[in-house]
Amino acid sequence: GAGVSQSPRYKVTKRGQDVTLRCDPISSHATLYWYQQALGQGPEFLTYFNYEAQPDKSGLPSDRFSAERPEGSISTLTIQRTEQRDSAMYRCASSPGQGITGELFFGEGSRLTVL
Amino acid sequence: AQSVTQLDSHVSVSEGTPVLLRCNYSSSYSPSLFWYVQHPNKGLQLLLKYTSAATLVKGINGFEAEFKKSETSFHLTKPSAHMSDAAEYFCVSMNYGGSQGNLIFGKGTKLSVKP
Repeated sequence: GAGVSQSPRYKVTKRGQDVTLRCDPISSHATLYWYQQALGQGPEFLTYFNYEAQPDKSGLPSDRFSAERPEGSISTLTIQRTEQRDSAMYRCASSPGQGITGELFFGEGSRLTVL
Repeated sequence: AQSVTQLDSHVSVSEGTPVLLRCNYSSSYSPSLFWYVQHPNKGLQLLLKYTSAATLVKGINGFEAEFKKSETSFHLTKPSAHMSDAAEYFCVSMNYGGSQGNLIFGKGTKLSVKP
């Protein structure tokens, strides 16, 4: 697509429910990133993909968090057994190459509220 | 370990007056530094980047930033604020201890522009 698209834009769920967030990166972008941004904080790295490979998931807060990108395009971030502390903006970004550039194209984010 | 500190959580200026958003970095390496901007309900957008080629970096919309190693600073400036500059600005460092895409964000500075 023309830009990075994330869905849903807003999600309210009850504690203990599972949630899946979706990211559709810019077409042909090799690399896709997930960040978590708590209120009043800057985004924090969760994980990234080079095509379908996931070289680094060190930022995932717990094993309740998982991400996949099975065909090297669309990615999903799943949070199992949500907790109130998971409430945050989840940001997806993509970049064209696989090298380290720091130049990321971000989507508008998915705001998750866990009641 | 690298870090970035944005010295002001909120800056308010009048339209037509200069803008100064302050950022200090901490890094054992020669850093790569960035400024990103987030307008309401939009994704984060790259404003400018420093990668050691020149200490004064020009970005989009008339913004620029100067890398000062002696002061470990990378402040963002603009000579004359416009109403459309109202947004949240993030100073960002590449995380050389981490993997590709593992950027370190400051907490952000909200810029308000008064008519």
